[in-house]
Amino acid sequence: GDSVTQTEGQVALSEEDFLTIHCNYSASGYPALFWYVQYPGEGPQFLFRASRDKEKGSSRGFEATYDKGTTSFHLRKASVQESDSAVYYCALVPASSGSWQLIFGSGTQLTVMP
Amino acid sequence: GPKVLQIPSHQIIDMGQMVTLNCDPVSNHLYFYWYKQILGQQMEFLVNFYNGKVMEKSKLFKDQFSVERPDGSYFTLKIQPTALEDSAVYFCASSGLGFSYEQYFGPGTRLTVL
Repeated sequence: GDSVTQTEGQVALSEEDFLTIHCNYSASGYPALFWYVQYPGEGPQFLFRASRDKEKGSSRGFEATYDKGTTSFHLRKASVQESDSAVYYCALVPASSGSWQLIFGSGTQLTVMP
Repeated sequence: GPKVLQIPSHQIIDMGQMVTLNCDPVSNHLYFYWYKQILGQQMEFLVNFYNGKVMEKSKLFKDQFSVERPDGSYFTLKIQPTALEDSAVYFCASSGLGFSYEQYFGPGTRLTVL
């Protein structure tokens, strides 16, 4: 079945560091790809999405580019802040099966130290 | 941004009892979802609901589970009877039309089955 893999379970950075969280997917066709962020005690919040090859999604300084060739949607931010500390989820909605369920990766806990 | 509300935030019940989890979705959304997250594990899709009907469900959506949204009021998830393995945080989500539309999540209901 379709799946999402996030290789980093935890990332620890200092303020102003560059962030990369890796996301690879396995799905047929062109699934919609998403990044969500979850703060303690809250549900996941939509960050941005991309639906086509080479499309870039971005929000709040975070960005990711849909890459069909490498089946990736890596999250990047040039300069992280302490307030970015949260769990980040990569997710997809399958394109071809008529399914609208979000399939989540395992999540990456980002901790940013002042 | 748009808010999804969930009531209650925490529910503790004895195994075998019935429980109803309530969700107040974003007002103009048409699609409703339930997801389950066991502590420390991945977020997993349970069911989605549109126009009064279950559109798709996962194998986690056991026969003891049911969903409804009577007369446009709360979107509910009922579990009858509950089992120990139902202990988890249940997240409700809603979305507009289209598979690439973002889903908005509530803060979750933590269900503890004793």
